[in-house]
Amino acid sequence: QKEVEQNSGPLSVPEGAIASLNCTYSDRVSQSFFWYRQYSGKSPELIMSIYSNGDKEDGRFTAQLNKASQYVSLLIRDSQPSDSATYLCAVNLTRDDKIIFGKGTRLHILP
Amino acid sequence: DAGITQSPRHKVTETGTPVTLRCHQTENHRYMYWYRQDPGHGLRLIHYSYGVKDTDKGEVSDGYSVSRSKTEDFLLTLESATSSQTSVYFCAISEGLAGESYNEQFFGPGTRLTVL
Repeated sequence: QKEVEQNSGPLSVPEGAIASLNCTYSDRVSQSFFWYRQYSGKSPELIMSIYSNGDKEDGRFTAQLNKASQYVSLLIRDSQPSDSATYLCAVNLTRDDKIIFGKGTRLHILP
Repeated sequence: DAGITQSPRHKVTETGTPVTLRCHQTENHRYMYWYRQDPGHGLRLIHYSYGVKDTDKGEVSDGYSVSRSKTEDFLLTLESATSSQTSVYFCAISEGLAGESYNEQFFGPGTRLTVL
């Protein structure tokens, strides 16, 4: 069974600190990796895509990919209360048109 | 999600009735997807389309059918709704496998369906 695993949380982080979210996946041939943010009652919003090993930075967000260890992470620097949401990891597990979503990690930024 | 709309946004129906949900896009993206999201299960793919009249099943396709007669519209039909189909339904679109942003999916606002 191909899977994407995330810690469900909640993960509580003080305002201004770095929030670290992790995701592991089961398929070694995965090609595309995504992080979505979902506020309660809203639809998922794509915040980061990463396709090759290493780090990718976009503003306060950094995605890290390690294909050998089959994990992808998201770092949020200078965390703000508005970052409180559920973060979904998604992975294209095979060379096709579909992606598999993890169940999400709830992040709570403490003011 | 400015280029993706879903209708209706909320619907309450009774067991055994047919229900059709509509997804409309203005981005001219090739791929369209229907997901359902339930507590404890996350987002699960129901069906997807890779072109007009080209569709395929996802992991939870039983009890659902889809149609795509135009690039911009993707319909999800519950032929005879059951209480287990009470969920939030999201449509997503993607340009597909070509280009630097391949496989990126963008979501519509969702439809909350309650089957009594």
